Amino acid sequence: QKEVEQDPGPLSVPEGAIVSLNCTYSNSAFQYFMWYRQYSRKGPELLMYTYSSGNKEDGRFTAQVDKSSKYISLFIRDSQPSDSATYLCAMSVSSASKIIFGSGTRLSIRP
Amino acid sequence: DAGVTQSPTHLIKTRGQQVTLRCSPKSGHDTVSWYQQALGQGPQFIFQYYEEEERQRGNFPDRFSGHQFPNYSSELNVNALLLGDSALYLCASRTSGLYEQYFGPGTRLTVT
Repeated sequence: QKEVEQDPGPLSVPEGAIVSLNCTYSNSAFQYFMWYRQYSRKGPELLMYTYSSGNKEDGRFTAQVDKSSKYISLFIRDSQPSDSATYLCAMSVSSASKIIFGSGTRLSIRP
Repeated sequence: DAGVTQSPTHLIKTRGQQVTLRCSPKSGHDTVSWYQQALGQGPQFIFQYYEEEERQRGNFPDRFSGHQFPNYSSELNVNALLLGDSALYLCASRTSGLYEQYFGPGTRLTVT
């Protein structure tokens, strides 16, 4: 069993829709939770990170962490074609430890 | 301010050969990590360098080795290349003590 599980998609939604991306994990020691966006042939770009449980909002993006269920989510409101990319969830035990990535969900926003 | 840079962009090697990939961290960053990203997969941690020493290592064989120089730049060396080593190799840098790390564009290695 992988430490971090993520549905690979692809996920296709119309412009303006709310997108929900999710990951589950098995290691209860994870404390830092991140979402990266990766465009084709580019390196990952950090979108949001959360320490421990709770919600964090940044513009159209909201990250949620439920440590009791070992489940994290990223919501994108008012989705735009420019949001089309692969979204990677990632986690680590501490700020200095290695980061474990999910396999990524490919998202496509239809104009 | 230049971000993380990597060279070369693309590389084609033959099975059994050796390869060296290079990374220059973002200005002000002193910690460099290397990741391997196979097609359709998330990045997998190879190792991390800080103060010119390997600090952490993922589940990669000894064929994968690295180095960090006094100017914080880093190299990833892979010996005895296998077909399965074909992947995008990503370098990420950060400042020690701070969490956020920045990725470079990667080097795409193809082993034939």
